[in-house]
Amino acid sequence: QKEVEQNSGPLSVPEGAIASLNCTYSDRVSQSFFWYRQYSGKSPELIMSIYSNGDKEDGRFTAQLNKASQYVSLLIRDSQPSDSATYLCAVNMPYGQNFVFGPGTRLSVLP
Amino acid sequence: GAVVSQHPSRVICKSGTSVKIECRSLDFQATTMFWYRQFPKQSLMLMATSNEGSKATYEQGVEKDKFLINHASLTLSTLTVTSAHPEDSSFYICSARVGGITPPNNEQFFGPGTRLTVL
Repeated sequence: QKEVEQNSGPLSVPEGAIASLNCTYSDRVSQSFFWYRQYSGKSPELIMSIYSNGDKEDGRFTAQLNKASQYVSLLIRDSQPSDSATYLCAVNMPYGQNFVFGPGTRLSVLP
Repeated sequence: GAVVSQHPSRVICKSGTSVKIECRSLDFQATTMFWYRQFPKQSLMLMATSNEGSKATYEQGVEKDKFLINHASLTLSTLTVTSAHPEDSSFYICSARVGGITPPNNEQFFGPGTRLTVL
C-alpha cells in the first residue's frame, strides 16, 4: 500500500461549483497534513496545513481531517478557472524529517 | 508565507559540464532544506535532505557523488550536478522548512525551481 494516495484525476468541475479533493494515508500516527497547489511548469505552493481533526477554513478553501479514517480532504468553494492545477497532498510521517507527497490530483475548472 | 528563492531559474549546458543551483531562504533561517526533482507529468521525487553544517542525506538511488549538496549556512543550500548528461535534464526544486519536524510550524516552502536542459 502506498503511503499517501490521491485520485490522479482529472477532476472536472464547472465554474462556481465546489471541488472536492481527497487523500488517504497509511500511517496512523501521522501528525501533520498539507495541501499544495502546483500549476503546470511551476513549483508547489502551500495552500493549507492541518494538524487536528475537523475542519479548517481559509477563504474559499476548507481542509478536513479525519485521523480515525486516515483521510484528509480539500474543498474549494466557488471554483474558478484559475484554480485549475494539480493539488498535492503531503503527510509528515512521524519517523522521518520529510513529507511524503501523494501523486497529485489534476483539477480542471471549466468556464 | 516564507519566501524561498532559487537561482538560476533556467540553465542549458553541454553534456559533461557541472551546474550549480542555489537555494536561499530570504526571510527566515532554515535548518533543513530539501532537494526534489520532477520530470514532466510526474510527481515530485525527493533527492536529498540537507541540514545546515552537516552532510546531506540522500534518498535511495540518488548518486551522492553526482549530486553534490552543500548547506553552508542557515539561509543557503546548493546543489551541484556534476558531469551532467541529457538524462539529468529535469525540473529541480528546493524547499525549506521554517521550524522543526513537529507541528505546528513544520511547513515546507518551495523555491520557484530550476529547469535544467543538458544538450
